[in-house]
Amino acid sequence: KAGVTQTPRYLIKTRGQQVTLSCSPISGHRSVSWYQQTPGQGLQFLFEYFSETQRNKGNFPGRFSGRQFSNSRSEMNVSTLELGDSALYLCASSKDRSVYGGANVLTFGAGSRLTVL
Amino acid sequence: EDKVVQSPLSLVVHEGDTVTLNCSYEVTNFRSLLWYKQEKKAPTFLFMLTSSGIEKKSGRLSSILDKKELFSILNITATQTGDSAVYLCAAAHNTDKLIFGTGTRLQVFP
Repeated sequence: KAGVTQTPRYLIKTRGQQVTLSCSPISGHRSVSWYQQTPGQGLQFLFEYFSETQRNKGNFPGRFSGRQFSNSRSEMNVSTLELGDSALYLCASSKDRSVYGGANVLTFGAGSRLTVL
Repeated sequence: EDKVVQSPLSLVVHEGDTVTLNCSYEVTNFRSLLWYKQEKKAPTFLFMLTSSGIEKKSGRLSSILDKKELFSILNITATQTGDSAVYLCAAAHNTDKLIFGTGTRLQVFP
């Protein structure tokens, strides 16, 4: 089955611009999470969407936003880009919260590498 | 503040060596501990540990969780060049948010 698909894979923007990244989860997965990965900070949680609702949110400024569509596809948007937003943005999908006591196992996409000049 | 700390940050070994990667965590409402392997881009799932003291194995890889001392280890025996990657540890909050460590970069040379 197809994995998590993220587009675009690479993009270059300048400070002050905005960017929209897209994520198509694995078929049947209704939860989509977004993470930012930088060399110094590692993977940091941005937000999680389930059934078109934001279910969880990390500690990022309001310039970072997202949404999920009825087909579970998700987009994240970063407005007023700053140099520090340069990072690999990873999307991950899962079926739902585990009913067995453990966490959901996330399946990650290959990421969108954003460079802000 | 929730945090996950991995050590060492980097490790260089020769093929055939055995390595132990460490992960300690301080997470309120802890639920599970997960290990991922990241070679180029997408982290791939290795293990999820929920109970203390129960070793999980997959081939040459094994992992165990100690919920009293708040740490986990990942062992790789008879390392191969294909094991070269960044190994990520993540603690799952009860809201399912994952808190990741910064990873251990493993390089295996022939």
